Amino acid sequence: EVQLLESGGGLVQPGGSLRLSCAASGFTFTSYAISWVRQAPGKGLEWVSGITGSGAGRYYADSVKGRFTISRDNSRNTLYLQMNSLRADDTAVYYCASPGDDGYWGQGTLVTVSS
Amino acid sequence: SYELTQPPSVSVSPGQTARITCSGDAFPKKYAYWYQQKSGQAPVLVIYEDSKRPSGIPERFSGSRSGTMATLTISGAQVEDEADYYCYSTDSSGNYAVFGGGTKLTVL
Repeated sequence: EVQLLESGGGLVQPGGSLRLSCAASGFTFTSYAISWVRQAPGKGLEWVSGITGSGAGRYYADSVKGRFTISRDNSRNTLYLQMNSLRADDTAVYYCASPGDDGYWGQGTLVTVSS
Repeated sequence: SYELTQPPSVSVSPGQTARITCSGDAFPKKYAYWYQQKSGQAPVLVIYEDSKRPSGIPERFSGSRSGTMATLTISGAQVEDEADYYCYSTDSSGNYAVFGGGTKLTVL
């Protein structure tokens, strides 16, 4: 059974940092590009960042470029998102996902940026 | 940045056909994918590669793409199909992904 399990969300003050993790199982992790997708309260889905299976290619939405860093540890089947200089509009549920042909998604982790 | 455009809402009566459109400049070269999201749940893939249906998705869900427009069709919509629907694709480079703004389907 495919599983993507996010962790690391929580409450953080504006300007702070947070690191999200996503543990994958049930599929050949290295064969898949994986993305982070977020959903602000009451809003639509927003693609945040993606990384190729090898980790060599990393891509970011304009809204997070320069503040967020995506990475992966293929030996641990784990995806990461380092989030720095957080703002109130980064408040959202963050999903790790492979949104293409297989449609693998986690259940999400909530990040709240507030003082 | 690349954008996909969907209508904010579509409304049909039970048993009618619902059509949700998604426009994007890269569609002649890139596939469209469709997700269903019900309140409080993670999105579920209902159509991939324009018109393929994952196992477990009812046959009433179908997809098509022509030019710069992709369409999700729900033939004989059911009350349980009420949800938000999102199209998904990538830009022409394939490196940057994007979701449409979402369409709220009401079946009543």
